[in-house]
Order: sequence, then C-alpha cells, then structure tokens
Amino acid sequence: QKEVEQDPGPLSVPEGAIVSLNCTYSNSAFQYFMWYRQYSRKGPELLMYTYSSGNKEDGRFTAQVDKSSKYISLFIRDSQPSDSATYLCAMTVTNTDKLIFGTGTRLQVFP
Amino acid sequence: DAGVTQSPTHLIKTRGQQVTLRCSPKSGHDTVSWYQQALGQGPQFIFQYYEEEERQRGNFPDRFSGHQFPNYSSELNVNALLLGDSALYLCASSPGRDEQYFGPGTRLTVT
Repeated sequence: QKEVEQDPGPLSVPEGAIVSLNCTYSNSAFQYFMWYRQYSRKGPELLMYTYSSGNKEDGRFTAQVDKSSKYISLFIRDSQPSDSATYLCAMTVTNTDKLIFGTGTRLQVFP
Repeated sequence: DAGVTQSPTHLIKTRGQQVTLRCSPKSGHDTVSWYQQALGQGPQFIFQYYEEEERQRGNFPDRFSGHQFPNYSSELNVNALLLGDSALYLCASSPGRDEQYFGPGTRLTVT
C-alpha cells in the first residue's frame, strides 16, 4: 500500500465548476500538507501549504485537512481553462523532511 | 527575484554513461532537495543537502550522488545510466524548513 493515495483521473469539468481533489494517507505522523500544480513538462508550483487540521483559503483555492480521517482536499472555485493541469498532493512528517507525493490528478477544464 | 533554476533543460545520454545536473536555489534558501519524476507518477525523493552535507537520502542506489557548494547551489550525478533512469529530475529549495519550491526540471532521456 502506498503511503499517499490519489486518484489519477483524468477529471474533466466545465468552466465555472467547483472542483474537488482529494488524497488519503496512511502515515499518521504526517503533519505538513501541500498542494502543487504541475503543467505539462514543467516543474510543480506550490499552491497551498497547511499544518493543522481545518481549512485554509487563498483566492479561488481552499485546502482542507482532516487528520482524524487521514484525508486532505483541494477545492477550486470558478474553475478556468487555465486551471487545466496535474495537481499533486504532498506531505511530510517535519518541516525539514522529504516530501511524499501522491501520483497526481489530471484536471481538464473545458470552455 | 529569480526562482529555482536548473540546467540543462533536456539531456540525451546512452546507457552506461554518466550525467551531471545542476541547480541554483532561490535567493535566501540554503537547503536543496532532488526528486525524480517518472512519466505519470509523483516525484520521488532522492536526497537533500544542507550546509554542504547530505542530510537525508531516499531509496536510490549509490549510482546517484550529489554535492552542495558554499553558495548553496547543487549538483546531481548519476553514474552507469540505465534506461530506467529516464525521467524528469527536479530540484527544490527551501529556507532550511517549510515550503519547498521547485525548479522547471531537467528531462533526461537514456537510450
């Protein structure tokens, strides 16, 4: 069993939709959670970084962490075609530790 | 402020050869991590350098080695290349802790 599970998709939604991306994990020691966006053949771009359980909002993006269920989510409101990319969840035990990534979910937003 | 930079962008090598990839971290960042990303997968941690020492290492063979220079830049060396080493190699920098910011990557093809 992988430490971090993420549905690879693809997920196809119309422009303006609310998108929900999710990851589950098995290691209860994970404390720091991140979401990265990766366009084709580019490096991952950090979108959200959270430590505690609960919600964190930044513009159209909301990250949600539920440590009791070992489940994290990223919500994208008013999705745009420019949001079409692969979204990677990542997590780590300490804030100096290696990142453990999910496989990524490919999102396609069509006009 | 320049972000993380990597060189070269693309590289084609033959089995058995050796390769050196380079990374310059974001200004103010002293920690560099290297990841390997195979097609359709999330990045896998190779190793992390801090204060010119290897601080952590992932599950990669000794053919993978690295170095960090006094100016915090870093190199990744891979010896005796195998076809399976073909991947996107990503460098990430951080200010000793917290968020890791990725460069654009070096795409290595081994033929």
